[in-house]
Amino acid sequence: EPEVTQTPSHQVTQMGQEVILRCVPISNHLYFYWYRQILGQKVEFLVSFYNNEISEKSEIFDDQFSVERPDGSNFTLKIRSTKLEDSAMYFCASRMGGGSYEQYFGPGTRLTVT
Amino acid sequence: AQKITQTQPGMFVQEKEAVTLDCTYDTSDPSYGLFWYKQPSSGEMIFLIYQGSYDQQNATEGRYSLNFQKARKSANLVISASQLGDSAMYFCAMSPQGNQGGKLIFGQGTELSVKP
Repeated sequence: EPEVTQTPSHQVTQMGQEVILRCVPISNHLYFYWYRQILGQKVEFLVSFYNNEISEKSEIFDDQFSVERPDGSNFTLKIRSTKLEDSAMYFCASRMGGGSYEQYFGPGTRLTVT
Repeated sequence: AQKITQTQPGMFVQEKEAVTLDCTYDTSDPSYGLFWYKQPSSGEMIFLIYQGSYDQQNATEGRYSLNFQKARKSANLVISASQLGDSAMYFCAMSPQGNQGGKLIFGQGTELSVKP
């Protein structure tokens, strides 16, 4: 069964460093998302991406964040200068579109900023 | 603004019994979707069930059913015949469907523990 994959599973970085989180959505899906979940809290929406552009972003998704779909399969989230409060689980999700609304999540990348 | 409320931080159920997890929502969008996700201790988010706001019948997927009461703005998840593997965090979520972006707005979650 097709699934969303994410790499790495765990990333440790120092404050101020840039990180890139990678995702491979399900191949025939058209809508892509990033969410984050701070430990013990609810899942929060960051950004949605469709037709090679951002369709919506939250207040969390400030100038330090960017997303890219560099080729036909990968979808990346870049954090330019990480802060301690960026420590969280980051989930990528995708959905097919065309009347299908279910979003399928990847296993997540746990980001730890020290 | 859209909001999801899950008022039960934790629930216990005996194995093989049914359990209802509560979810209420608030939205002014005429068209929206309601979702339930399961998050085991391993951390992944597993899609369980979807209900569209215009669907006439309650959604069912195997042992999961969604008790949708539109006038009361509730979308409770019913799990029948609980199994030990059902122990997990459960999140209710909503997505406005007029907006093609389709972001999910999540509640705080309910931690379900199934007792043998």
